Amino acid sequence: AQRVTQPEKLLSVFKGAPVELKCNYSYSGSPELFWYVQYSRQRLQLLLRHISRESIKGFTADLNKGETSFHLKKPFAQEEDSAMYYCALDSGAGSYQLTFGKGTKLSVIP
Amino acid sequence: DVKVTQSSRYLVKRTGEKVFLECVQDMDHENMFWYRQDPGLGLRLIYFSYDVKMKEKGDIPEGYSVSREKKERFSLILESASTNQTSMYLCASSGWAVAYNEQFFGPGTRLTVL
Repeated sequence: AQRVTQPEKLLSVFKGAPVELKCNYSYSGSPELFWYVQYSRQRLQLLLRHISRESIKGFTADLNKGETSFHLKKPFAQEEDSAMYYCALDSGAGSYQLTFGKGTKLSVIP
Repeated sequence: DVKVTQSSRYLVKRTGEKVFLECVQDMDHENMFWYRQDPGLGLRLIYFSYDVKMKEKGDIPEGYSVSREKKERFSLILESASTNQTSMYLCASSGWAVAYNEQFFGPGTRLTVL
């Protein structure tokens, strides 16, 4: 069975400090991984996906198959980054389901 | 612009009532999902549907049922609401033609069962 673990429920950082939101997964195949974000009073939305190797709002995430991790990073946190972040896994092979982690609430202190 | 709408933002019901939560998407997506979102528990899948009249149980289907009579509409039904079903309910949709299986979410319905 696939599983996504986000070890931190809450992460507080100061504005301008680096941010790393951790995500580990358990899946034997070749997964596709995503980060979703929910800002206050907004709907949950896709932030980025590993396969496109993109940087969105200064965030990047690298898939490390050896460590089964997909940590989300940003070198300098901004106040507007404060939100709830969810890591999600798609097992691929035609699956249409996502397995979500429990989420990490990021709070950027001004 | 992609749009998933949910019938209510806030709903208050009494224990034992039958509750209907409606979700509509205008993107011609094949797949639709119902999640509940609880602090510390993340998103948990209740039911999903990959076609009209088709449904599959998710991780926590007990106490819920669903209906998908039309492609654009997916309803979540609480047959007899209980206080432990007080939660935020999120609907989502995705389509085969959408890159990378991205799911698009509705704004959520916060249900309180008294």
